[in-house]
Amino acid sequence: GQNIDQPTEMTATEGAIVQINCTYQTSGFNGLFWYQQHAGEAPTFLSYNVLDGLEEKGRFSSFLSRSKGYSYLLLKELQMKDSASYLCAVNGGAGNMLTFGGGTRLMVKP
Amino acid sequence: DAGVIQSPRHEVTEMGQEVTLRCKPISGHNSLFWYRQTMMRGLELLIYFNNNVPIDDSGMPEDRFSAKMPNASFSTLKIQPSEPRDSAVYFCASSSRGTGANVLTFGAGSRLTVL
Repeated sequence: GQNIDQPTEMTATEGAIVQINCTYQTSGFNGLFWYQQHAGEAPTFLSYNVLDGLEEKGRFSSFLSRSKGYSYLLLKELQMKDSASYLCAVNGGAGNMLTFGGGTRLMVKP
Repeated sequence: DAGVIQSPRHEVTEMGQEVTLRCKPISGHNSLFWYRQTMMRGLELLIYFNNNVPIDDSGMPEDRFSAKMPNASFSTLKIQPSEPRDSAVYFCASSSRGTGANVLTFGAGSRLTVL
């Protein structure tokens, strides 16, 4: 099976940088995704990592270490609209399915 | 493209009633997924289809749940009979399964309340 862990909640200040960590255990790893979900809305795709290293996309970056089963999402220059849940998801397992972690609820304060 | 379309957006029903949720995936996507989201359990995969064929339904809670995909543009998730513990947001998602990232696009969700 798959096991994905991420913090339940985080708080940060507008303009700051925040790092959301995710650790996972899986068989047959085939990529790690980060999704953003605003309250009452659907998850939307943010980033994808399949090789070790950092992927940068504007204010958001995502890092992966396959040997450590570890990823993080880095959000820079935080804005109030970044207040949302951030879901770490791993593609793998017997059916190559996407399994989500419980999500990290980020609150950005002025 | 209008994205993944789900209906109804909200449904309130009484215990024991049949519930049918509907999904229209993005045209050209060949994989379709049904997820359920609750505060306690997060986002759980119920079942997914590849080219209209159910591939893995191990996440379906019990026999009260069933899903069909009669064609590439339509899928249903049925709960019969419904119970209060089925109250959740049900998301349908689709993707184009091939090489590279299997990025899911989610519908807006169907919020189900069973009284």
